[in-house]
Amino acid sequence: EAQVTQNPRYLITVTGKKLTVTCSQNMNHEYMSWYRQDPGLGLRQIYYSMNVEVTDKGDVPEGYKVSRKEKRNFPLILESPSPNQTSLYFCASSLSRSVNTIYFGEGSWLTVV
Amino acid sequence: EDQVTQSPEALRLQEGESSSLNCSYTVSGLRGLFWYRQDPGKGPEFLFTLYSAGEEKEKERLKATLTKKESFLHITAPKPEDSATYLCAVQAYRDDKIIFGKGTRLHILP
Repeated sequence: EAQVTQNPRYLITVTGKKLTVTCSQNMNHEYMSWYRQDPGLGLRQIYYSMNVEVTDKGDVPEGYKVSRKEKRNFPLILESPSPNQTSLYFCASSLSRSVNTIYFGEGSWLTVV
Repeated sequence: EDQVTQSPEALRLQEGESSSLNCSYTVSGLRGLFWYRQDPGKGPEFLFTLYSAGEEKEKERLKATLTKKESFLHITAPKPEDSATYLCAVQAYRDDKIIFGKGTRLHILP
């Protein structure tokens, strides 16, 4: 079954404590990205990756880092989380960046206190 | 600036009461327009891609249409299980960037 898997699904953490949200896809997709979804703001892209070792900033990259060492994995790193990063995060993948079906993960609810 | 505006923000319908959701867009060079369904606490699920004005696609009780300025998602005789947030997104040829609208929350009452 085609899947994008994120972990953890729910996390409460404290300001400044580094955390990583993992993302893995089993479809051999080249393109992967991270979004955050906030009430009234919709889905906004944080970072994306066109392929292994190729990453670039999206619309709201401040405070986040990513890496793409393997094709299937695209972790999101919050080096020093702050309360304004409290949000619902989605990892997504597609065959390429051009028109293709985008598959989303189930989401990770992150609360920073 | 490329933009996507969805209306209404929220819509409550009785079961069986057909209606339409609107997605207005401005983009220089549309590569594709997408519709997604999102259930509470879950990731968006792909419904349709439309590429050019005049194109239509159907899936069960849903039908998506596209003009040069907007897209409609028509829901015919909806059921309570159609309750969800429906997201519209556009992609431009210029940079392949995908822009999402804020969604329409649809609630179908039994």
